[in-house]
Amino acid sequence: SQQGEEDPQALSIQEGENATMNCSYKTSINNLQWYRQNSGRGLVHLILIRSNEREKHSGRLRVTLDTSKKSSSLLITASRAADTASYFCATASSSGNTPLVFGKGTRLSVIA
Amino acid sequence: DVKVTQSSRYLVKRTGEKVFLECVQDMDHENMFWYRQDPGLGLRLIYFSYDVKMKEKGDIPEGYSVSREKKERFSLILESASTNQTSMYLCASRRATNEKLFFGSGTQLSVL
Repeated sequence: SQQGEEDPQALSIQEGENATMNCSYKTSINNLQWYRQNSGRGLVHLILIRSNEREKHSGRLRVTLDTSKKSSSLLITASRAADTASYFCATASSSGNTPLVFGKGTRLSVIA
Repeated sequence: DVKVTQSSRYLVKRTGEKVFLECVQDMDHENMFWYRQDPGLGLRLIYFSYDVKMKEKGDIPEGYSVSREKKERFSLILESASTNQTSMYLCASRRATNEKLFFGSGTQLSVL
């Protein structure tokens, strides 16, 4: 069952610009996580934001969470060609020990 | 750092063959997961395990089985491979509920 839905599906920007990706979900969560996937590889965890947090930073990444709107956004500032990848949000349900549920991802292309 | 190792990066099998995909993690994680990833469909959960000898069906278990005889190893079995099982298979583990996932590099399986 797909819970997170990323928007847009694909994004193309110039190097140095900021990239914003959005994620919407449907049920109550314990936390929301963002992952990155380089082409043909496994996913790498980027950042986790808990349901009682509104914003979190990690280097050039900024994540916001609005539980009233059931949405999150990932901002990558001053993007680089090496940021080209697919980005996925995943939600951890607030109801017990359940697996993460992933969205379909946003494909980001950063053009040098 | 946690390492999740999948036995093969690329695998080519024939229809009807029995296929084993192996996954080993080295950090004593309780939870392990198998996902498949197809273009446009995101990650879909096949099976997961929260303890040795324990397994739970995910969203798309049909045509698959799993084995977890030891804590560090979680095997995915295709009893009789079919062409619609051609996909990228991703193994992941986590220490406990609501924590982040660590992924293997993935196995691209082609069934001819």
